[in-house]
Amino acid sequence: EVQLVESGGGLVQPGGSLRLSCAASGFTFSSWWMTWLRQAPGKGPEWVASIKQDGGEKFYVDSVKGRFTISRDNAKNSLYLQMNSLRDEDTAVYYCAREEHARFYYWGQGTLVTVSS
Amino acid sequence: EIVMTQSPATLSASPGERPTLSCRASQSVSSNLAWYQQKPGQAPRLLIYDASTRATGVPARFSGSGSGTEFTLTISSLQSEDFAVYYCQQYKNWPPLYTFGQGTKLEIK
Repeated sequence: EVQLVESGGGLVQPGGSLRLSCAASGFTFSSWWMTWLRQAPGKGPEWVASIKQDGGEKFYVDSVKGRFTISRDNAKNSLYLQMNSLRDEDTAVYYCAREEHARFYYWGQGTLVTVSS
Repeated sequence: EIVMTQSPATLSASPGERPTLSCRASQSVSSNLAWYQQKPGQAPRLLIYDASTRATGVPARFSGSGSGTEFTLTISSLQSEDFAVYYCQQYKNWPPLYTFGQGTKLEIK
């Protein structure tokens, strides 16, 4: 059974940093593109970043470029999102998802990031 | 950026009815469109991809149609478990810049 479990969310002040983790199991992690998405309260999901199987290609939505970094450790079956210079508008539930031909079949349960002073 | 617009924002319907949800893209996305269902406190669930292909395990009462800029999701006979929020997502772009609609809430009339 495919499982994705996010962790690392919490309350952070504007300008602060957080590192999200996603532990994957039930599939060959190193064979799949992986993605972070987020969903602000009452809004639709938003694609944040994607990373290729070997980590050699990474893509970001414009609003997080230069602030967020997606990475992975295939030996640990883990996906990460380093978030720096956080802003109020980054407040959301963050999901990791397995990407399959640009669709998202498997999602984690999400981790809440709240940016507030 | 391709903007996805869903209508209506809220749709009231009764069990057994046949609601149709709409999604419009600001430019053609060909058939690169997916539909998701989201219930409170849960992650979205993929229902339809490539505009009309049901994902594994999705009941046959869900169907998708359209191409280019206009898409619809139809539920042939509403069940109680279908009341949720539905999102469309386009995936035409490469490098990726996937975008979602703002959602249609399907509520019980």
